[in-house]
Amino acid sequence: NAGVTQTPKFQVLKTGQSMTLQCAQDMNHNSMYWYRQDPGMGLRLIYYSASEGTTDKGEVPNGYNVSRLNKREFSLRLESAAPSQTSVYFCASSFSGTVNEKLFFGSGTQLSVL
Amino acid sequence: QKEVEQDPGPLSVPEGAIVSLNCTYSNSAFQYFMWYRQYSRKGPELLMYTYSSGNKEDGRFTAQVDKSSKYISLFIRDSQPSDSATYLCAFRGTTSGTYKYIFGTGTRLKVLA
Repeated sequence: NAGVTQTPKFQVLKTGQSMTLQCAQDMNHNSMYWYRQDPGMGLRLIYYSASEGTTDKGEVPNGYNVSRLNKREFSLRLESAAPSQTSVYFCASSFSGTVNEKLFFGSGTQLSVL
Repeated sequence: QKEVEQDPGPLSVPEGAIVSLNCTYSNSAFQYFMWYRQYSRKGPELLMYTYSSGNKEDGRFTAQVDKSSKYISLFIRDSQPSDSATYLCAFRGTTSGTYKYIFGTGTRLKVLA
C-alpha cells in the first residue's frame, strides 16, 4: 500500500499563477485534510473533507479551494498564487468516527511563489 | 494563550542518552494524545498514540500523559543518530463544537554519534 500520495513534490510558481496539488489515499479513509507547515507556525489546517461530497474550511482557507473528487482523491487549488503561500503542503487522511482514529500524512509538496 | 506549547529546540544529546520531549496544552476537551516524528523533507509519521493518563511504552519510546496538569511527554531511551528528527505533539478533541487536530510546532532533536 502506498498510503497517502501527493504530487508534485516540488513546484515553483510566479505570483498570480495557478496550480493544483493532487492527493490520493488507498486506505479507504473517509476524511481527508490539507495542511501547510511554516517555520515556527506548526501545521495549520487549510481545508478538510469529512466525507466524500463535503468540504469545510480550516484555520487558514483564504486563497485556496479544494475538491473532493471521490473517496480517494482530494485536491488543493491555488487560483492566484501569492508569495505568502510559499510553504510546505501536506495532505493527510484518517478513518474518522472511530476510537482509534489516526491521521496519516503524505510526503509533502514544497511550494515556492516568487 | 496558545492551545499547545512546545519548545522548538534544537535539543542535542549524545548517542545512548535518554531524551525527554514535552508539550503543555490548555484545552480540557482534548481526548487523544499523539507524537509524530518528522524527518527532514518528509511528512510526519505517527509514533505514539494514547487516550488515557499514564504511560504507554513501545520499544525505546514511552509516551506519558498527565491530564490533570495538561502535560504530555515523550521519552526516548538509548537514543540513536537515526532518532534525529523533529518531534511534533498532537491532540485530538472538540474545540468550539468542531472536532479537530491541533499540533505543536515541533522540537528538533539531534542525536550525536
